[in-house]
Amino acid sequence: EAGVAQSPRYKIIEKRQSVAFWCNPISGHATLYWYQQILGQGPKLLIQFQNNGVVDDSQLPKDRFSAERLKGVDSTLKIQPAKLEDSAVYLCASRSSGDWQFFGPGTRLTVL
Amino acid sequence: KQEVTQIPAALSVPEGENLVLNCSFTDSAIYNLQWFRQDPGKGLTSLLLIQSSQREQTSGRLNASLDKSSGRSTLYIAASQPGDSATYLCAVSYGGATNKLIFGTGTLLAVQP
Repeated sequence: EAGVAQSPRYKIIEKRQSVAFWCNPISGHATLYWYQQILGQGPKLLIQFQNNGVVDDSQLPKDRFSAERLKGVDSTLKIQPAKLEDSAVYLCASRSSGDWQFFGPGTRLTVL
Repeated sequence: KQEVTQIPAALSVPEGENLVLNCSFTDSAIYNLQWFRQDPGKGLTSLLLIQSSQREQTSGRLNASLDKSSGRSTLYIAASQPGDSATYLCAVSYGGATNKLIFGTGTLLAVQP
């Protein structure tokens, strides 16, 4: 069974630029999560999708972050414009009907 | 506020030692608790999941216990190996529609050969 795929793995941009991350969950997993992990901290949930609907985006900085999950499969997370404090690893996870969440390798973003 | 704390933040042990990692959570009404491993530059790998009604789970050399009433969990690693070196994260879920995970800050483990 293929795992959660994410791309790119690394991205370096300058502040005020825009960036997008892509996630392909495990086939058949209806629930998809995006987490932000700042260096030295645990991951923090940004947004959760159930199929193509948003379940929880209470911690998503909506003035600069946006996410979509078209057709209930792949998802894209966008930051526009980026700030220095957005430097982090962005993790995507998916879940079927059970309790286990499966994580992708993450995208490491550096904002200069 | 629902928070998760892990102690110690870092730990270095010689190979072969048994060790304990600690996790505490402020809101004891958890649905389940998970222990993850994170290797540098990689995502998270789930090690053990304990439901709120359970006391412990075991997988190989790993044993996780849960004391829900006191808001604590421990991860016990027996006969540690250099390959166990990684960051270990504890996360709790409160169920509901989101079933989102609330993570601790992790314990960085180094096992010296």
